[in-house]
Amino acid sequence: DVKVTQSSRYLVKRTGEKVFLECVQDMDHENMFWYRQDPGLGLRLIYFSYDVKMKEKGDIPEGYSVSREKKERFSLILESASTNQTSMYLCASSLIREDNSPLHFGNGTRLTVT
Amino acid sequence: AQKVTQAQTEISVVEKEDVTLDCVYETRDTTYYLFWYKQPPSGELVFLIRRNSFDEQNEISGRYSWNFQKSTSSFNFTITASQVVDSAVYFCALSGMEYGNKLVFGAGTILRVKS
Repeated sequence: DVKVTQSSRYLVKRTGEKVFLECVQDMDHENMFWYRQDPGLGLRLIYFSYDVKMKEKGDIPEGYSVSREKKERFSLILESASTNQTSMYLCASSLIREDNSPLHFGNGTRLTVT
Repeated sequence: AQKVTQAQTEISVVEKEDVTLDCVYETRDTTYYLFWYKQPPSGELVFLIRRNSFDEQNEISGRYSWNFQKSTSSFNFTITASQVVDSAVYFCALSGMEYGNKLVFGAGTILRVKS
C-alpha cells in the first residue's frame, strides 16, 4: 500500500518566516504534487513534479517554491510566510505521468501563520 | 477550460437515509477521467472511484453507487443506508489532456450523518 507521509500535522509560524513542508512517498512514484485546501475552494494545485529535479507551476504558485532532489521526497517552501498562506496543505503522488492513475494523499499539514 | 461543480456545500442526513452527492463537470476533451475522493476527519483523501469517459456504466460497490451521464455532464455519487462513518468531505475531480492530465477538483461537499 502506498504511503505518503507529511512531516508535520500542525505548524504555527510567524509572518516572514521561511517554512518548509516535507513530503515523502514510499512507492517509487514519478509524480508528486502539492495542493492547498481552503473551505469552499476545494483543492488547488500549487506545484507538481514529474521527475527528480523537475518542477512545474500549478494554478497558485505565487509565494511558494518546491524542491525535489530525490524521487521520494518533495518539499514545499514558503519563502516568507504570510497570513494568507494559512491553510491545509496536502501532498500527493501518482505512478506515472500519462496514465491518469489515482492520486495518493498524505494526511495534510495544517499551517497557521500569525 | 476544465471545471467541476459540486453545488451542495453541506448535506445533513440521519443514519440509514440514502443520500446523493451531485457533481457536474465541464471539459472540451473527448477522453477524460472522473474521480471521487473521500476526506474523513483524519484529513487524508481516500480514492473511491475512477471512470473514463467511454465507460458510462453505473457502478455499485457495497453501499456506494455512481451514476455517470455524459448527456448531462454529471457523475453523481449515492450512499445507500448512510452510516455515521460516512461523515466526511467528498470531492469530485476531473482529469484530461486539456489540463495536462492533472486533477481539477470541485469545492467538495460536507456530508454529516447523524445517529
